[in-house]
Amino acid sequence: NAGVTQTPKFQVLKTGQSMTLQCAQDMNHEYMSWYRQDPGMGLRLIHYSVGAGITDQGEVPNGYNVSRSTTEDFPLRLLSAAPSQTSVYFCASSARPDYGYTFGSGTRLTVV
Amino acid sequence: SQQGEEDPQALSIQEGENATMNCSYKTSINNLQWYRQNSGRGLVHLILIRSNEREKHSGRLRVTLDTSKKSSSLLITASRAADTASYFCATSGTYKYIFGTGTRLKVLA
Repeated sequence: NAGVTQTPKFQVLKTGQSMTLQCAQDMNHEYMSWYRQDPGMGLRLIHYSVGAGITDQGEVPNGYNVSRSTTEDFPLRLLSAAPSQTSVYFCASSARPDYGYTFGSGTRLTVV
Repeated sequence: SQQGEEDPQALSIQEGENATMNCSYKTSINNLQWYRQNSGRGLVHLILIRSNEREKHSGRLRVTLDTSKKSSSLLITASRAADTASYFCATSGTYKYIFGTGTRLKVLA
């Protein structure tokens, strides 16, 4: 039972490049979210999903796209990377909105 | 803006002492959760308290919730060096969880 798997663990991008951060869970959880964590800022919600085909914006959605074609996968796409997107990105999933989230181990992204 | 704000931002105590951290939030909630994050790792769910509950226990953890004051507290009793971590509260109104900025706890052996 792998839980929530994020790839890659580390990534360096040049300004303007695009990329996709992968997130997969094997717990059949309906609810999935993407957060970014910056020093002194805690975790900020980027996008979330309440099931396959259903996504919505969080607190800081600009510059990011998501889709949820299957229950298992919830990729996060950076459209045109900017230095302000340098951060640690966490994916999390939950079976129900009143259950705790299971977090992945994170992707550390640097945009130069 | 952040929904939850933890207080204090940082806390340093001796092993064996109790650690108390607080969380204040702004809007009505369905439940409130506390998470722990060890340096460089993902967050780990500790405990959830629903809006109709006032107190909950799990091992050495005690959580209280005061919805009239929009605040919660996390008490860790008999702290250990292994409790050194950052602690975050997260509030949920519907489907999305909003996290606070965290309390950095350091337990000195």
